[in-house]
Amino acid sequence: EIVLTQSPGTLSLSLGERATLSCRASQSVGSSYLAWYQQRPGQAPRLLIYGASIRATGIPDRFSGSGSGTDFTLTISRLEPEDFAVYYCQQYDTSRDTFGQGTKLEI
Amino acid sequence: EVQLLESGGSVIQPGGSLRLTCVASGFTFNSYAMSWVRLTPGKGLEWVSSISANGGYTNYADSVRGRFTISRDNSKNTQFLQMSSLRAEDTAVYYCAKRVTYSSGYFDYWGQGTLVTVSS
Repeated sequence: EIVLTQSPGTLSLSLGERATLSCRASQSVGSSYLAWYQQRPGQAPRLLIYGASIRATGIPDRFSGSGSGTDFTLTISRLEPEDFAVYYCQQYDTSRDTFGQGTKLEI
Repeated sequence: EVQLLESGGSVIQPGGSLRLTCVASGFTFNSYAMSWVRLTPGKGLEWVSSISANGGYTNYADSVRGRFTISRDNSKNTQFLQMSSLRAEDTAVYYCAKRVTYSSGYFDYWGQGTLVTVSS
């Protein structure tokens, strides 16, 4: 099983600042089969990024993903009020998906 | 518009059984794999189970294998999760999620979730 470790656990930033979230895999994620999701309280997860760096439909360009192998990053260039949420990475390279434990982005 | 509507969650005693249902609309249901993913306060998101588009392939997380069974009825655009021998650690919000291909891939659409509470 590929274990995903996200850091930091909580990130405290202000509106307009840049957020950098990390996701590290215990072994290489083939073909960059890594996705990022945003989850606001009481809502369903929302797909942000797939293939490590491809923005999903309708996702603002302030969200960007990068990385390969075992190290991946989600960057939010200028934080808006609606961006404060929990973010999860997910690998779908193997037949058993795994998620990171999440990073909470708070004001 | 893609919609996934879960139902069936409730409060259930340890050792009990429950069946969750997810009704899909807005896409060609029999062309896509489907999954269940749960959210627990302490562990975050956890993949539970997946089923291929034609129902011929299923797989499960180790934590639920042998206790949960995933299935689908393509004639009714519906998938199910039969849960038995429930434990306190199964308490979670259960989401129905659509994959992007016939058999695998990331999740492009999610339902709003149904709450399962296992407690005596």
